[in-house]
Amino acid sequence: DTEVTQTPKHLVMGMTNKKSLKCEQHMGHRAMYWYKQKAKKPPELMFVYSYEKLSINESVPSRFSPECPNSSLLNLHLHALQPEDSALYLCASSRLPTGNSNQPQHFGDGTRLSIL
Amino acid sequence: GNSVTQMEGPVTLSEEAFLTINCTYTATGYPSLFWYVQYPGEGLQLLLKATKADDKGSNKGFEATYRKETTSFHLEKGSVQVSDSAVYFCALSDLSSGGSNYKLTFGKGTLLTVNP
Repeated sequence: DTEVTQTPKHLVMGMTNKKSLKCEQHMGHRAMYWYKQKAKKPPELMFVYSYEKLSINESVPSRFSPECPNSSLLNLHLHALQPEDSALYLCASSRLPTGNSNQPQHFGDGTRLSIL
Repeated sequence: GNSVTQMEGPVTLSEEAFLTINCTYTATGYPSLFWYVQYPGEGLQLLLKATKADDKGSNKGFEATYRKETTSFHLEKGSVQVSDSAVYFCALSDLSSGGSNYKLTFGKGTLLTVNP
């Protein structure tokens, strides 16, 4: 069982809909991430939150809007998506870097999003 | 910049065969190295990690040694099982990359299929 929980597991939406993806972790991690993964490809980083503040936005279109309401929750608000946005959306969390080493990221099982 | 090169496969083995998946990297600093596994329909799971040269990560019979002289982190398992069938991703994060502290650089992934 994963320690990062994502809901819903599957989502089908039209291009004019508004929906949200949710992610929750209770490991005390202060860094949280959104990734997009297309079939047979590695995950692509979208956003990074550190201490509930957005620290990295990888030039993601504004139709994707992240939100971090508290240290355990991460949302991704979706609006006016395009068919090419269909993908697996993964949430991850980690401790912050310590000393000379980075910390591994722990992933959820993802939300499989289909845009009609 | 940072990059990870891994054998893309697919790799098909019989049960109890020996597994090697090659991974080499390029990094500007002193990266931490990871192997992640993705089972069908799931997110990524951390399989093992190494944070400095000559470290050996191990888990579930898998091993990988951080070789700075050859910039490699090859994944090995002495006897694979059908349940090991999955996609394996080699990845690095590099603390010296300034604002990229949180970024994971992934290889393209290797699909492993183990037949009974």
